[in-house]
Amino acid sequence: KNEVEQSPQNLTAQEGEFITINCSYSVGISALHWLQQHPGGGIVSLFMLSSGKKKHGRLIATINIQEKHSSLHITASHPRDSAVYICAVAPGSTVGELTFGKGTHLIIQP
Amino acid sequence: GAGVSQTPSNKVTEKGKYVELRCDPISGHTALYWYRQSLGQGPEFLIYFQGTGAADDSGLPNDRFFAVRPEGSVSTLKIQRTERGDSAVYLCASSLRPGVTEAFFGQGTRLTVV
Repeated sequence: KNEVEQSPQNLTAQEGEFITINCSYSVGISALHWLQQHPGGGIVSLFMLSSGKKKHGRLIATINIQEKHSSLHITASHPRDSAVYICAVAPGSTVGELTFGKGTHLIIQP
Repeated sequence: GAGVSQTPSNKVTEKGKYVELRCDPISGHTALYWYRQSLGQGPEFLIYFQGTGAADDSGLPNDRFFAVRPEGSVSTLKIQRTERGDSAVYLCASSLRPGVTEAFFGQGTRLTVV
């Protein structure tokens, strides 16, 4: 079973700061997902990546397959970015379910 | 539909009762997943359907939990003899194909067993 670790678990920052959330996993994967969950809300998929880097607006996600590590960056952070960010990995050798990290609780203060 | 729809959004039930949670995936998505999320934790896998069949039900905690997807679209998660420990948010997700395609999540059903 893949072990997915996220860091930090909690992060409080000031508006405008550059944010980095890390995710590491133990077993080879086919894809990694970054998800966003607002309080009381459902989960929204931000990125799915299997190599390299993706950018969407102020969000950037990178993955290093050899090191089994991914990062999610938020530039020019804003209070509306406050949410739980979850990393989830899809298995490499067999199709099946995602394995999730416990999430990073991000608070951006104005 | 436009997205994954889960009903009800909230369910409060008494210990020992039977509940059904419904998931309506995005049209055409063959893969459907059920996850359970307890407070402060990441979602945990329950069961995964490919079409009508349960491809992997290894995450179901015990035989009180059962899920069906008879026509390969809507799925129902059934919990018998509910216990207080079953209280959680139950999430459903669907994807066009399992694994390497983007997964879309519903809003979840918050189940509270009192």
